[in-house]
Amino acid sequence: KAGVTQTPRYLIKTRGQQVTLSCSPISGHRSVSWYQQTPGQGLQFLFEYFSETQRNKGNFPGRFSGRQFSNSRSEMNVSTLELGDSALYLCASNPSGSSYNEQFFGPGTRLTVL
Amino acid sequence: DQQVKQNSPSLSVQEGRISILNCDYTNSMFDYFLWYKKYPAEGPTFLISISSIKDKNEDGRFTVFLNKSAKHLSLHIVPSQPGDSAVYFCAASAGGSNYKLTFGKGTLLTVNP
Repeated sequence: KAGVTQTPRYLIKTRGQQVTLSCSPISGHRSVSWYQQTPGQGLQFLFEYFSETQRNKGNFPGRFSGRQFSNSRSEMNVSTLELGDSALYLCASNPSGSSYNEQFFGPGTRLTVL
Repeated sequence: DQQVKQNSPSLSVQEGRISILNCDYTNSMFDYFLWYKKYPAEGPTFLISISSIKDKNEDGRFTVFLNKSAKHLSLHIVPSQPGDSAVYFCAASAGGSNYKLTFGKGTLLTVNP
């Protein structure tokens, strides 16, 4: 079974631009979560989608948004990029998002904002 | 306010010895705890987990201990191997909402041959 895939793996943008990151979960997994990893803050939860619906959202500004498609693939979008948005963005999938299943993470997208 | 804390940014041990990684949490609602390992340029990989109804869970060389009264958990790796060198993250979730994990900042484990 293929793992979680994320594209692109690396991205360089300038301040004020917007960016879209893509995540394909493990086949059959319906829950997709997004995390931001920075050296200072560690891994922080952004949001989670299940069956095309956002079920939970972390403490990030509205510039961060996401969506999920009917095939469970997910995208996240960051608008009006700031220098502080430079981070590793990780996507994780879970069979159903129900109790006590471990998350399976992708390799991440490294975003650099100049 | 950091709800999951890993107070040791790094740990160095000799091959064959025990590695003990520690994690403290503050949120009493957390009822499920996980450890992930992360190599550079890769996503975190699940290692082992424990429910709050248990105080110990073992999987091969890895054992996780949970002390609910102290809000403390630890990961023991015995014996440690050079391939175990990675960043280890402690994570917690509450109320079955396991899609939302709260992570510690990680501990870099180096196992020296």
